[in-house]
Amino acid sequence: KQEVTQIPAALSVPEGENLVLNCSFTDSAIYNLQWFRQDPGKGLTSLLLIQSSQREQTSGRLNASLDKSSGRSTLYIAASQPGDSATYLCAGGSGGYQKVTFGIGTKLQVIP
Amino acid sequence: DAGVTQSPTHLIKTRGQHVTLRCSPISGHKSVSWYQQVLGQGPQFIFQYYEKEERGRGNFPDRFSARQFPNYSSELNVNALLLGDSALYLCASSHDRGWADTEAFFGQGTRLTVV
Repeated sequence: KQEVTQIPAALSVPEGENLVLNCSFTDSAIYNLQWFRQDPGKGLTSLLLIQSSQREQTSGRLNASLDKSSGRSTLYIAASQPGDSATYLCAGGSGGYQKVTFGIGTKLQVIP
Repeated sequence: DAGVTQSPTHLIKTRGQHVTLRCSPISGHKSVSWYQQVLGQGPQFIFQYYEKEERGRGNFPDRFSARQFPNYSSELNVNALLLGDSALYLCASSHDRGWADTEAFFGQGTRLTVV
């Protein structure tokens, strides 16, 4: 059974700081990992999708990496802005189809 | 193009009642999945439908059921509502049946409150 853990649960940083969010998973047979952003009471916005054959993906100030052997993924946010404040969730796909397992998320606050 | 749309956005029901939530996927997407997100937790997988057939089911009681229509829209039904069913219900669509090489797009969710 896939389990996904995200550390830290909450993070507060000053504007402009670079930061790393961590995601670990137990099933190395994961076939992809996706990072999402969720604003309070809202749905999920897809940020980056990393397929199992890839090691990283980049979009603007965001960079996500995937290391299946160690069961880890990281989301790097460069030059953080107050608009980045949200909860960031990682989700791993394994076991077929869309039976995806989410972490609880990291709540990020960027202070102006 | 419209994204994934869910209706209603908010809903209040009484214990024991029945509820139907609706989801319209992105045009061209054939897969719809449903998730339940309790406050402070990550989304939990409920169902996946692809080409109108159930392809996956999470660990939820039989009170939860769903279906997908010929136009690929979907309904999630919950019978005999309990207080613990209060949550944000999210719908996700994707072009293909799996997450292996295809991105999932989520709607804004339906906030269900059971009183």
